[in-house]
Amino acid sequence: DAGVIQSPRHEVTEMGQEVTLRCKPISGHDYLFWYRQTMMRGLELLIYFNNNVPIDDSGMPEDRFSAKMPNASFSTLKIQPSEPRDSAVYFCASSFRRYEQFFGPGTRLTVL
Amino acid sequence: KQEVTQIPAALSVPEGENLVLNCSFTDSAIYNLQWFRQDPGKGLTSLLLIQSSQREQTSGRLNASLDKSSGRSTLYIAASQPGDSATYLCAVRREETSGSRLTFGEGTQLTVNP
Repeated sequence: DAGVIQSPRHEVTEMGQEVTLRCKPISGHDYLFWYRQTMMRGLELLIYFNNNVPIDDSGMPEDRFSAKMPNASFSTLKIQPSEPRDSAVYFCASSFRRYEQFFGPGTRLTVL
Repeated sequence: KQEVTQIPAALSVPEGENLVLNCSFTDSAIYNLQWFRQDPGKGLTSLLLIQSSQREQTSGRLNASLDKSSGRSTLYIAASQPGDSATYLCAVRREETSGSRLTFGEGTQLTVNP
């Protein structure tokens, strides 16, 4: 398996623009997670899904953030409108049941 | 609320030395604990997963132990190499009927000097 796939790997955008991050989990995994990592706050869980259903979105910072999982092989994290404080590395991870989580390479987002 | 602490925050050792990284957690009702490494600018790589019923797991030069009752885990690295230089994170998963949230420590930044 190719592992967790994320795109794009880097994104530079201007404040106010919409940003969409994409994730393809490992085939057969039933959990999908979105994290954000910054120097100041470390690694934060934003939201996670089980069988395509959002289970816990308490980490989503505000209404500007939304996440969807239309099927078992694809998820998006959208920020609209983006702000400079959203600049971070966003990771997607997946797992089978409650076992090992496997992380993607991340998307480095810079909002100018 | 579960809190995970890793000590030390940074560690520098000469090549060949055996070393121990520490992880402690406040709520012992965990389902499992996972150790990761993160190289600069990269994602997290899973190293070892220990279920709450297990005492230790081994993979190559790595050995992770778990003492659930005292809320501690250690990652032992034998015969360290410069390629082991990275940030090591531990994360715990709560013991609950459903859900799979991981709580991460801040990490230990390891430097192995040639």
